[in-house]
Amino acid sequence: EDQVTQSPEALRLQEGESSSLNCSYTVSGLRGLFWYRQDPGKGPEFLFTLYSAGEEKEKERLKATLTKKESFLHITAPKPEDSATYLCAVIGLVGGTSYGKLTFGQGTILTVHP
Amino acid sequence: DGGITQSPKYLFRKEGQNVTLSCEQNLNHDAMYWYRQDPGQGLRLIYYSQIVNDFQKGDIAEGYSVSREKKESFPLTVTSAQKNPTAFYLCASSIVGPRGGVSPLHFGNGTRLTVT
Repeated sequence: EDQVTQSPEALRLQEGESSSLNCSYTVSGLRGLFWYRQDPGKGPEFLFTLYSAGEEKEKERLKATLTKKESFLHITAPKPEDSATYLCAVIGLVGGTSYGKLTFGQGTILTVHP
Repeated sequence: DGGITQSPKYLFRKEGQNVTLSCEQNLNHDAMYWYRQDPGQGLRLIYYSQIVNDFQKGDIAEGYSVSREKKESFPLTVTSAQKNPTAFYLCASSIVGPRGGVSPLHFGNGTRLTVT
């Protein structure tokens, strides 16, 4: 069974204080790892897809990296508007069709103070 | 703008009543999904559909039912058989990639259901 564990559960940063969020996964044959941002009371917003170890993706202050066991979401010089819950999800090799059968982590709640 | 519309945003029901949550998308996506989100837990898949008139159970389908009569619409009914229905429900859609290609899900803004 696929498993995703995110750490820490909550992270408080000062504006400009860079840090990283962790997503550890166990999956039988990774086909893709996704990062989402979720604001309170809203649906998750897609950020990145990573497909293979060594891959990196960047968007503004966010950079996602992937190894064979975990992914990191690096936040450089965060601003208060980066405050949100960040979700990680994986999809592995499943016999037959497996669209949308993502396994999600419980998320990391990021708060950035001005 | 293309997107996924879930309605209503908040829904209150008495225990023992069935309730239907609406999900409409204009992204022309073939696949649609329903997830449930509870505090401190990851999203859990209830049902998904890859094509009109076909759908499959996810990990927690008991007490729920769906239909897919149109490509754009994928309503979810929470029946009285669902033991703990109070939750945040999220609808999503995606393209169906060639040869099982992986594509990200696009989510609606959810319906918060409270059953008392």
